[in-house]
Amino acid sequence: ETGVTQSPTHLIKTRGQQVTLRCSSQSGHNTVSWYQQALGQGPQFIFQYYREEENGRGNFPPRFSGLQFPNYSSELNVNALELDDSALYLCASSLSQNNEQFFGPGTRLTVL
Amino acid sequence: QQQVKQSPQSLIVQKGGISIINCAYENTAFDYFPWYQQFPGKGPALLIAIRPDVSEKKEGRFTISFNKSAKQFSLHIMDSQPGDSATYFCAASKGSARQLTFGSGTQLTVLP
Repeated sequence: ETGVTQSPTHLIKTRGQQVTLRCSSQSGHNTVSWYQQALGQGPQFIFQYYREEENGRGNFPPRFSGLQFPNYSSELNVNALELDDSALYLCASSLSQNNEQFFGPGTRLTVL
Repeated sequence: QQQVKQSPQSLIVQKGGISIINCAYENTAFDYFPWYQQFPGKGPALLIAIRPDVSEKKEGRFTISFNKSAKQFSLHIMDSQPGDSATYFCAASKGSARQLTFGSGTQLTVLP
């Protein structure tokens, strides 16, 4: 069974650019959540998708947006990048709304 | 608003000793309390989790103690090993697959 995978592993962008991060959920998992982890801090919830619909959102501005596809993979899009967006972006999937979340290895985004 | 407070920020323990990490939460609606272990460059991995209907849960060398009235829970690592050296995060949510609110993390170092 393949776990949660994320791509790319690392990414460098400049301020004002746009970025798309991708996540493949664990086989059979229909719920995907995205978290931002700044250096030395705990992950912070961005939003969650359940069966292709947004199902909860944390305290992040609208320039953070997402999608979930019919195969339950997901994308995180960030527009107008700011220096403070530099972080490890984590994707987590779960089998259903009442099961534990499994995290991927993350994408390290650096904004210059 | 920090809803989950974690302490200590860092912890150094001798091999074979007991590591204890504490967390306190504010939101009484939380009903799922997991602990995650994170190695450098990796995503968080679920160690053990507890729900508020029990006061203690043990899995191998890892034990969660839960005090609902005090709104506190702790992770005990018995017989700590150098391989346990990692960052540990407590978290809480309303439902296991819902938005996780993480503590700020504890960097554990187990000396050989």
